Amino acid sequence: GAGVSQTPSNKVTEKGKYVELRCDPISGHTALYWYRQSLGQGPEFLIYFQGTGAADDSGLPNDRFFAVRPEGSVSTLKIQRTERGDSAVYLCASSLAGGMNTEAFFGQGTRLTVV
Amino acid sequence: SQQGEEDPQALSIQEGENATMNCSYKTSINNLQWYRQNSGRGLVHLILIRSNEREKHSGRLRVTLDTSKKSSSLLITASRAADTASYFCATGRSGTYKYIFGTGTRLKVLA
Repeated sequence: GAGVSQTPSNKVTEKGKYVELRCDPISGHTALYWYRQSLGQGPEFLIYFQGTGAADDSGLPNDRFFAVRPEGSVSTLKIQRTERGDSAVYLCASSLAGGMNTEAFFGQGTRLTVV
Repeated sequence: SQQGEEDPQALSIQEGENATMNCSYKTSINNLQWYRQNSGRGLVHLILIRSNEREKHSGRLRVTLDTSKKSSSLLITASRAADTASYFCATGRSGTYKYIFGTGTRLKVLA
C-alpha cells in the first residue's frame, strides 16, 4: 500500500480482555516499530522488528504485551488482561532498513480505550 | 523513558511569523528527526539530520544540529494556520535502532 496501515483505528475494550492491534507496513520495508503515546506525551518505544525477529523489545512494559511479525510483513501487537492504564494511541512505523539514518513512516495509530 | 525535551512546550504566533522550536537530548546520536503530529494521531516525517551535519533545509523548514550542546532547532518560516500541530524530535541513538521521542512542542498559528 501507499503508507503504513493500522487497524482498527479505534478499539474500546473492557478491563481484563485480550486485544490485538494490526499493522501493515509499507511494502518492502524490513524494519517495523511499535510505539505507544499517552495524551500530552511523546511516543514511547515498545518494540522493533528487523524482518521476522524482534531485535529490540526493551520497551514492552510487562509480559502482558507481546508482538509478532511471522512473515516479516504484517505485525500484530497483542495485549492480554488489559488494564485501564493501557489506554493510549498505539502507533506503528516502518522504514526501509531500520535505524541508522533511514526515516520512519508512521501509521495513523489505533486508539485503545480500556473501560 | 524519553530522551528529548522540546522547548517551548507550547508556542502561539501570528500567521506569517517564524516559529522556532528547540530539542535537547542526553546521549550520543546517529541522527535526529523532526515530526509533525496533527490531532494526536499519525506522525508526519519532516526532516532527518545526521550527526555529521550541522544544518538542513526543506522548503520553509530549517533544522540545525549542535552535537557539542546535544541540541537541535526547527525553524518554520512564514508560518501558516495549517502549520498548527505538535512537533516532536526523535533521536536515533548510537548502537541501537530505536528512535526516542521528546515531549513535543504544541504550535498554534493564528490567522
